[in-house]
Amino acid sequence: EPEVTQTPSHQVTQMGQEVILRCVPISNHLYFYWYRQILGQKVEFLVSFYNNEISEKSEIFDDQFSVERPDGSNFTLKIRSTKLEDSAMYFCASTRTDLGNTEAFFGQGTRLTVV
Amino acid sequence: TQLLEQSPQFLSIQEGENLTVYCNSSSVFSSLQWYRQEPGEGPVLLVTVVTGGEVKKLKRLTFQFGDARKDSSLHITAAQPGDTGLYLCAGKRANQAGTALIFGKGTTLSVSS
Repeated sequence: EPEVTQTPSHQVTQMGQEVILRCVPISNHLYFYWYRQILGQKVEFLVSFYNNEISEKSEIFDDQFSVERPDGSNFTLKIRSTKLEDSAMYFCASTRTDLGNTEAFFGQGTRLTVV
Repeated sequence: TQLLEQSPQFLSIQEGENLTVYCNSSSVFSSLQWYRQEPGEGPVLLVTVVTGGEVKKLKRLTFQFGDARKDSSLHITAAQPGDTGLYLCAGKRANQAGTALIFGKGTTLSVSS
């Protein structure tokens, strides 16, 4: 069964450092997303990506964040200068279409800890 | 203000009992999805409901989408310890551009044997 894969599963970084979280979406999916979940809180949308550009972003996704699809399979989230409050689980998701009933499939997540 | 309110937030029951989890909103959704999330893992899709009044069954789980597409429920019959986990509803608002999902805070279910 196709799945979304994320690496690394855990990342510990010092405040102010740059981190890159990696995702391989499902191969025939065209829409890619990053969500985050701070411990004990709900899953929050960060950004969506289609046709090599950002299609939508939330107010959380400020200038410290960027996304990229460097090749035909990877989709990355970069946090330029991490802050303590960036500590969270980061989930990548993908969908085949942008229709209202399209199903989103999530990766296992990367647990980012900023110290 | 939560766009998707889930209740109850926590539920602890005995094996064999039935339960219902609710997901409510004042907004109309074009679709609602139910996910189950294990600790330290990503949400796993259980079902998508699209049509008002739609009912879907997945073994002992029954999902219903409200007629007005503002609410949904998940009913579990004869709960088992393996049903333990966090149940999330998420959806896309009908008048919202884009494909971002709005999530509820979830219902943490614990089923003891």
